[in-house]
Amino acid sequence: SYELTQPLSVSVALGQTARITCGGNNIGSKNVHWYQQKPGQAPVLVIYRDSSRPSGIPERFSGSNSGNTATLTISRAQAGDEGDYYCQVWDKNIEVFGTGTEVTVL
Amino acid sequence: QVQLQQWGAGLLKPSETLSLTCVVSGGSFSGYYWSWIRQPPGKGLEWIGEINQRGNTNYKPSLRSRVTISLDTSKNQFSLRLNSVTAADTAVYFCARGSHIAAPGRDPFDSWGQGTLVTVSS
Repeated sequence: SYELTQPLSVSVALGQTARITCGGNNIGSKNVHWYQQKPGQAPVLVIYRDSSRPSGIPERFSGSNSGNTATLTISRAQAGDEGDYYCQVWDKNIEVFGTGTEVTVL
Repeated sequence: QVQLQQWGAGLLKPSETLSLTCVVSGGSFSGYYWSWIRQPPGKGLEWIGEINQRGNTNYKPSLRSRVTISLDTSKNQFSLRLNSVTAADTAVYFCARGSHIAAPGRDPFDSWGQGTLVTVSS
Protein backbone atom coordinates (compact mmCIF):
# COMPACT_ATOMS: atom_id res chain seq x y z
CA SER A 1 0.00 0.00 0.00
CA TYR A 2 1.09 3.55 -0.67
CA GLU A 3 2.71 5.43 2.20
CA LEU A 4 3.29 9.12 2.87
CA THR A 5 6.00 10.13 5.32
CA GLN A 6 6.12 13.47 7.11
CA PRO A 7 8.45 14.81 9.81
CA LEU A 8 6.97 14.44 13.26
CA SER A 9 7.46 18.10 14.11
CA VAL A 10 8.63 21.39 12.65
CA SER A 11 9.45 24.50 14.63
CA VAL A 12 9.58 27.98 13.12
CA ALA A 13 10.34 31.40 14.55
CA LEU A 14 7.58 33.96 14.39
CA GLY A 15 7.69 35.69 11.01
CA GLN A 16 10.00 33.13 9.45
CA THR A 17 9.36 30.35 6.91
CA ALA A 18 8.34 26.78 7.71
CA ARG A 19 8.60 23.95 5.23
CA ILE A 20 6.80 20.66 5.76
CA THR A 21 7.72 17.75 3.54
CA CYS A 22 5.63 14.79 2.44
CA GLY A 23 7.55 11.88 1.00
CA GLY A 24 6.09 9.19 -1.22
CA ASN A 25 7.15 7.04 -4.14
CA ASN A 26 6.85 9.19 -7.27
CA ILE A 27 4.49 11.53 -5.45
CA GLY A 28 5.21 14.11 -8.14
CA SER A 29 2.86 12.19 -10.44
CA LYS A 30 -0.07 12.59 -8.02
CA ASN A 31 -2.29 15.43 -6.84
CA VAL A 32 -1.32 16.35 -3.29
CA HIS A 33 -3.65 18.06 -0.85
CA TRP A 34 -2.73 19.60 2.51
CA TYR A 35 -4.83 20.07 5.64
CA GLN A 36 -4.36 22.02 8.84
CA GLN A 37 -5.90 20.67 12.02
CA LYS A 38 -6.15 22.42 15.36
CA PRO A 39 -6.96 20.61 18.63
CA GLY A 40 -10.55 19.48 18.88
CA GLN A 41 -11.41 20.60 15.35
CA ALA A 42 -11.94 19.02 11.98
CA PRO A 43 -9.14 19.43 9.44
CA VAL A 44 -9.22 22.43 7.12
CA LEU A 45 -7.98 22.32 3.54
CA VAL A 46 -5.11 24.77 2.98
CA ILE A 47 -3.62 23.59 -0.35
CA TYR A 48 -5.14 21.40 -3.05
CA ARG A 49 -3.74 19.89 -6.24
CA ASP A 50 -0.16 20.56 -5.17
CA SER A 51 -0.22 24.34 -5.13
CA SER A 52 -3.73 25.81 -5.30
CA ARG A 53 -5.19 27.72 -2.36
CA PRO A 54 -8.88 27.57 -1.41
CA SER A 55 -10.61 30.88 -0.94
CA GLY A 56 -9.92 32.33 2.47
CA ILE A 57 -6.49 30.73 2.86
CA PRO A 58 -3.71 33.35 3.10
CA GLU A 59 -1.15 33.68 0.34
CA ARG A 60 1.46 32.81 2.96
CA PHE A 61 0.54 29.16 2.35
CA SER A 62 2.03 27.63 -0.77
CA GLY A 63 2.81 24.18 -2.09
CA SER A 64 5.03 22.34 -4.52
CA ASN A 65 5.40 18.76 -5.66
CA SER A 66 8.13 17.02 -7.61
CA GLY A 67 9.85 13.68 -7.70
CA ASN A 68 9.39 11.88 -4.40
CA THR A 69 8.62 14.92 -2.24
CA ALA A 70 5.78 17.38 -1.87
CA THR A 71 6.30 20.48 0.25
CA LEU A 72 3.98 22.82 2.09
CA THR A 73 5.56 26.21 2.79
CA ILE A 74 4.27 28.66 5.37
CA SER A 75 5.82 32.09 4.93
CA ARG A 76 5.86 34.79 7.60
CA ALA A 77 4.63 32.30 10.16
CA GLN A 78 2.11 33.49 12.70
CA ALA A 79 1.04 32.07 16.03
CA GLY A 80 -2.27 31.07 14.48
CA ASP A 81 -0.46 28.73 12.07
CA GLU A 82 0.30 26.30 14.89
CA GLY A 83 -1.33 22.92 14.55
CA ASP A 84 -1.02 19.59 12.84
CA TYR A 85 -0.61 19.38 9.08
CA TYR A 86 -1.42 16.38 6.90
CA CYS A 87 -0.72 15.67 3.25
CA GLN A 88 -3.08 13.43 1.29
CA VAL A 89 -3.18 11.68 -2.08
CA TRP A 90 -5.35 9.26 -4.02
CA ASP A 91 -3.71 5.98 -5.00
CA LYS A 92 -5.35 2.94 -6.57
CA ASN A 93 -8.86 3.71 -5.30
CA ILE A 94 -7.62 4.50 -1.80
CA GLU A 95 -7.29 7.85 -0.08
CA VAL A 96 -4.01 8.04 1.81
CA PHE A 97 -3.04 10.52 4.52
CA GLY A 98 0.47 11.37 5.57
CA THR A 99 1.69 10.67 9.07
CA GLY A 100 1.18 14.29 10.13
CA THR A 101 3.49 17.10 11.25
CA GLU A 102 3.07 19.23 14.35
CA VAL A 103 4.04 22.84 13.65
CA THR A 104 5.17 25.04 16.52
CA VAL A 105 5.69 28.79 16.13
CA LEU A 106 8.35 30.04 18.54
CA GLN B 1 -21.79 26.47 1.55
CA VAL B 2 -22.25 22.74 2.07
CA GLN B 3 -22.58 21.60 5.67
CA LEU B 4 -22.23 18.11 7.13
CA GLN B 5 -23.85 17.15 10.41
CA GLN B 6 -23.15 13.74 11.91
CA TRP B 7 -24.47 11.70 14.78
CA GLY B 8 -24.33 8.25 16.33
CA ALA B 9 -23.62 6.27 19.48
CA GLY B 10 -20.50 7.34 21.33
CA LEU B 11 -19.91 4.39 23.65
CA LEU B 12 -19.75 0.78 22.53
CA LYS B 13 -18.71 -2.52 24.03
CA PRO B 14 -16.27 -4.83 22.27
CA SER B 15 -17.88 -6.90 19.51
CA GLU B 16 -20.73 -4.42 19.02
CA THR B 17 -21.44 -2.53 15.80
CA LEU B 18 -20.53 1.11 15.32
CA SER B 19 -23.19 3.10 13.48
CA LEU B 20 -22.89 6.74 12.38
CA THR B 21 -24.91 8.88 10.01
CA CYS B 22 -24.06 12.13 8.23
CA VAL B 23 -26.57 14.50 6.64
CA VAL B 24 -25.59 16.96 3.93
CA SER B 25 -27.19 20.38 3.55
CA GLY B 26 -26.59 23.57 1.62
CA GLY B 27 -25.15 21.91 -1.46
CA SER B 28 -25.50 19.14 -3.98
CA PHE B 29 -25.53 15.59 -2.66
CA SER B 30 -25.24 14.01 -6.06
CA GLY B 31 -22.06 14.06 -8.07
CA TYR B 32 -19.63 13.59 -5.22
CA TYR B 33 -17.84 10.94 -3.23
CA TRP B 34 -18.74 10.93 0.46
CA SER B 35 -16.18 9.57 2.90
CA TRP B 36 -15.68 8.48 6.47
CA ILE B 37 -12.35 9.26 8.13
CA ARG B 38 -11.24 8.51 11.68
CA GLN B 39 -8.58 9.70 14.08
CA PRO B 40 -7.56 7.70 17.17
CA PRO B 41 -6.74 9.85 20.19
CA GLY B 42 -3.41 11.57 19.70
CA LYS B 43 -2.85 9.97 16.30
CA GLY B 44 -3.20 10.79 12.63
CA LEU B 45 -6.03 10.65 10.11
CA GLU B 46 -7.15 7.34 8.65
CA TRP B 47 -9.48 7.08 5.66
CA ILE B 48 -12.11 4.37 6.10
CA GLY B 49 -14.02 4.41 2.84
CA GLU B 50 -16.33 6.26 0.48
CA ILE B 51 -19.55 6.06 -1.48
CA ASN B 52 -20.92 7.96 -4.47
CA GLN B 53 -24.45 8.74 -5.56
CA ARG B 54 -24.68 5.51 -7.50
CA GLY B 55 -23.84 3.52 -4.39
CA ASN B 56 -20.38 2.58 -5.60
CA THR B 57 -18.02 2.11 -2.68
CA ASN B 58 -14.30 1.95 -2.00
CA TYR B 59 -12.92 0.81 1.34
CA LYS B 60 -9.54 0.76 3.00
CA PRO B 61 -8.38 -2.84 2.48
CA SER B 62 -7.55 -3.48 6.14
CA LEU B 63 -11.11 -2.53 7.19
CA ARG B 64 -13.04 -3.88 4.22
CA SER B 65 -14.24 -7.04 5.94
CA ARG B 66 -15.94 -5.06 8.74
CA VAL B 67 -17.13 -1.87 7.03
CA THR B 68 -20.31 -0.96 5.20
CA ILE B 69 -21.02 2.53 3.87
CA SER B 70 -24.50 3.18 2.56
CA LEU B 71 -26.55 6.18 1.47
CA ASP B 72 -30.09 7.48 1.39
CA THR B 73 -30.33 9.98 -1.43
CA SER B 74 -33.89 10.94 -0.49
CA LYS B 75 -32.57 12.30 2.81
CA ASN B 76 -29.13 13.47 1.61
CA GLN B 77 -27.59 11.11 4.15
CA PHE B 78 -24.85 8.54 4.19
CA SER B 79 -23.95 6.11 6.94
CA LEU B 80 -21.12 4.04 8.35
CA ARG B 81 -21.35 0.66 9.98
CA LEU B 82 -18.30 -1.01 11.47
CA ASN B 83 -18.77 -4.50 12.84
CA SER B 84 -17.05 -6.31 15.69
CA VAL B 85 -15.41 -3.25 17.18
CA THR B 86 -12.46 -3.44 19.56
CA ALA B 87 -10.60 -0.87 21.62
CA ALA B 88 -8.46 -0.19 18.54
CA ASP B 89 -11.53 1.33 16.89
CA THR B 90 -11.74 4.06 19.53
CA ALA B 91 -11.42 7.30 17.60
CA VAL B 92 -13.03 10.52 16.49
CA TYR B 93 -14.95 9.73 13.32
CA PHE B 94 -15.47 12.38 10.65
CA CYS B 95 -17.68 12.42 7.60
CA ALA B 96 -16.39 14.47 4.68
CA ARG B 97 -17.17 15.48 1.11
CA GLY B 98 -14.57 14.22 -1.29
CA SER B 99 -13.99 14.47 -4.96
CA HIS B 100 -16.52 15.34 -7.61
CA ILE B 101 -17.05 12.16 -9.58
CA ALA B 102 -16.12 13.88 -12.85
CA ALA B 103 -13.00 15.61 -11.56
CA PRO B 104 -9.75 14.78 -13.36
CA GLY B 105 -7.51 13.23 -10.78
CA ARG B 106 -9.15 13.58 -7.40
CA ASP B 107 -10.41 16.61 -5.51
CA PRO B 108 -9.63 17.03 -1.82
CA PHE B 109 -11.92 16.77 1.17
CA ASP B 110 -13.33 20.27 1.24
CA SER B 111 -16.12 19.97 3.80
CA TRP B 112 -16.10 18.01 7.04
CA GLY B 113 -18.54 17.06 9.75
CA GLN B 114 -17.90 18.11 13.33
CA GLY B 115 -16.57 14.72 14.38
CA THR B 116 -17.96 12.10 16.76
CA LEU B 117 -15.90 10.49 19.47
CA VAL B 118 -16.58 6.77 19.60
CA THR B 119 -15.16 4.91 22.58
CA VAL B 120 -15.03 1.13 22.73
CA SER B 121 -14.74 -0.15 26.27
CA SER B 122 -16.05 -3.04 28.29
